[in-house]
Amino acid sequence: NAGVTQTPKFQVLKTGQSMTLQCAQDMNHEYMSWYRQDPGMGLRLIHYSVGAGITDQGEVPNGYNVSRSTTEDFPLRLLSAAPSQTSVYFCASRGGGETQYFGPGTRLLVL
Amino acid sequence: QQQVKQSPQSLIVQKGGISIINCAYENTAFDYFPWYQQFPGKGPALLIAIRPDVSEKKEGRFTISFNKSAKQFSLHIMDSQPGDSATYFCAARNFGNEKLTFGTGTRLTIIP
Repeated sequence: NAGVTQTPKFQVLKTGQSMTLQCAQDMNHEYMSWYRQDPGMGLRLIHYSVGAGITDQGEVPNGYNVSRSTTEDFPLRLLSAAPSQTSVYFCASRGGGETQYFGPGTRLLVL
Repeated sequence: QQQVKQSPQSLIVQKGGISIINCAYENTAFDYFPWYQQFPGKGPALLIAIRPDVSEKKEGRFTISFNKSAKQFSLHIMDSQPGDSATYFCAARNFGNEKLTFGTGTRLTIIP
């Protein structure tokens, strides 16, 4: 099992550009989440999904869109990037147990 | 607002010593309290977790102490080793809710 994979590892965007951060898991997990990590602020939940076709907002959803068309994939879309979205983004998945498994992260720099 | 407060922000401990990281929470509906360990350039990984029906949970050198009345829980790392040098996050979640709320993290450095 590859676990939770994220692409790209690193991305530089200009303000106003759009992009999609990819996340995939091969553990058949029902629950998937996106977090952003900023210095001194821990991890904050952006959006989450409790199954294919079902998504909901987390703590900091503004500026981000998600969809969940399959169990395996949970992409995060930035429609118009802003410097405030410079961060490290982590995708996580959880099956029937309590443990959340995190991906390796995507480092995003918005100029 | 910060629903889970974590301290200290950074901690330096001598090899073989005890590392202690503390967290306090506000939401009494929280009923799952995990600790995550994160190495530089990696995603967080679950270290140990506790539910409020027990006051302590031990796994190897790692122990969670939980005080429900004080709404506090802490991570103790016994016989700390240089390989334990990492950032540690406490977190909390409501039962049946997917929203995991994290503390701000503690950077732990173990010196020889």
